[in-house]
Amino acid sequence: NAGVTQTPKFRVLKTGQSMTLLCAQDMNHEYMYWYRQDPGMGLRLIHYSVGEGTTAKGEVPDGYNVSRLKKQNFLLGLESAAPSQTSVYFCASSWTEAYEQYFGPGTRLTVT
Amino acid sequence: GEDVEQSLFLSVREGDSSVINCTYTDSSSTYLYWYKQEPGAGLQLLTYIFSNMDMKQDQRLTVLLNKKDKHLSLRIADTQTGDSAIYFCAEGSGFGNEKLTFGTGTRLTIIP
Repeated sequence: NAGVTQTPKFRVLKTGQSMTLLCAQDMNHEYMYWYRQDPGMGLRLIHYSVGEGTTAKGEVPDGYNVSRLKKQNFLLGLESAAPSQTSVYFCASSWTEAYEQYFGPGTRLTVT
Repeated sequence: GEDVEQSLFLSVREGDSSVINCTYTDSSSTYLYWYKQEPGAGLQLLTYIFSNMDMKQDQRLTVLLNKKDKHLSLRIADTQTGDSAIYFCAEGSGFGNEKLTFGTGTRLTIIP
């Protein structure tokens, strides 16, 4: 099993550009999450999904959109990137909310 | 809302014990977790404890929970250079609540 994979690993965007981050898991997990990690702020939940076709807002959803068209994939979109979105983005998945979250290796995004 | 707090930095001599502390505010927390993040990687679950437990031991790791004071600690015995990482405390309410709340993370540095 590959576990949780994220694409791309690194990306540099100019302000106003758009991009999509892809998260894939091969563990048949129902729940998937997108977090951002900033120095001194820990992990903050952006959006999450409790099953195929569902999405919900987390703590810091503004400026991001998500889709879960297939159970194994969870996409995070930035429609118009801003420097404040420079961060490391982590995807995670779990069986349910009560079980361990498995994390991907992260995507380092820089917006100039 | 829920809040989880940790010190940002801890330095320990190799061979000594490390104690990483965490406080949380949500009295309905059911599960409390410790995650480890090595440089350039995602988070990995180290251990967890249910809120009805006071202590959990797993090889070199000891988790202590003081539910009255909402205080959680992680003790690493005989700290090694491979223990250098960022350690995150997280709390969750379990079934019916999909989200974990993470602390800011404590960067553990080992002094040779």
